[in-house]
Amino acid sequence: GAVVSQHPSWVICKSGTSVKIECRSLDFQATTMFWYRQFPKQSLMLMATSNEGSKATYEQGVEKDKFLINHASLTLSTLTVTSAHPEDSSFYICSARATGRAGAYEQYFGPGTRLTVT
Amino acid sequence: GENVEQHPSTLSVQEGDSAVIKCTYSDSASNYFPWYKQELGKGPQLIIDIRSNVGEKKDQRIAVTLNKTAKHFSLHITETQPEDSAVYFCAASGGGQFYFGTGTSLTVIP
Repeated sequence: GAVVSQHPSWVICKSGTSVKIECRSLDFQATTMFWYRQFPKQSLMLMATSNEGSKATYEQGVEKDKFLINHASLTLSTLTVTSAHPEDSSFYICSARATGRAGAYEQYFGPGTRLTVT
Repeated sequence: GENVEQHPSTLSVQEGDSAVIKCTYSDSASNYFPWYKQELGKGPQLIIDIRSNVGEKKDQRIAVTLNKTAKHFSLHITETQPEDSAVYFCAASGGGQFYFGTGTSLTVIP
């Protein structure tokens, strides 16, 4: 149980184009999903918290117009990197928190998406 | 806000030996402490967690201890195997976002 998938697993795009990354909770419903960015040999950096049916909450320094997050259902959240540039190249990871369990703090992570912008 | 420190940053052990990774946190409101294992090119995988009402938790070769007074918690891996080689992250949470440590790269030498 508690499986989270991401698609695509890797993507190469040209500078100026947009890329959409999907995050799905496969066997549970997730009211809250999180999007992280990870640089090589570094820890996870929280970009935003996404709650189903409401606007995402972005961390300080993260451009909400550049990183568009949509959490349209209890099993799907998407991250769209708009007008991507080489500095947006990174490993993007989502996580999901199960719904309906009191005191359920666990976050289950997806396998990550490697984005390379050329 | 919360600040989580993790040590050591790298750790090499001989197969069969034990490995210990330590984390400290600053916010006394934190009450949930998970540990994640991340293999190269993959997402983090939850391996064990502990809540503040418990001092120790064990799952086969993996154990976590928590000292709320000193605000530190540790991951213990016994009888290490080459497949334990990975980066391990600790985290602390008060029910909202997770605050991650900087990671420990564990290498188990056959």
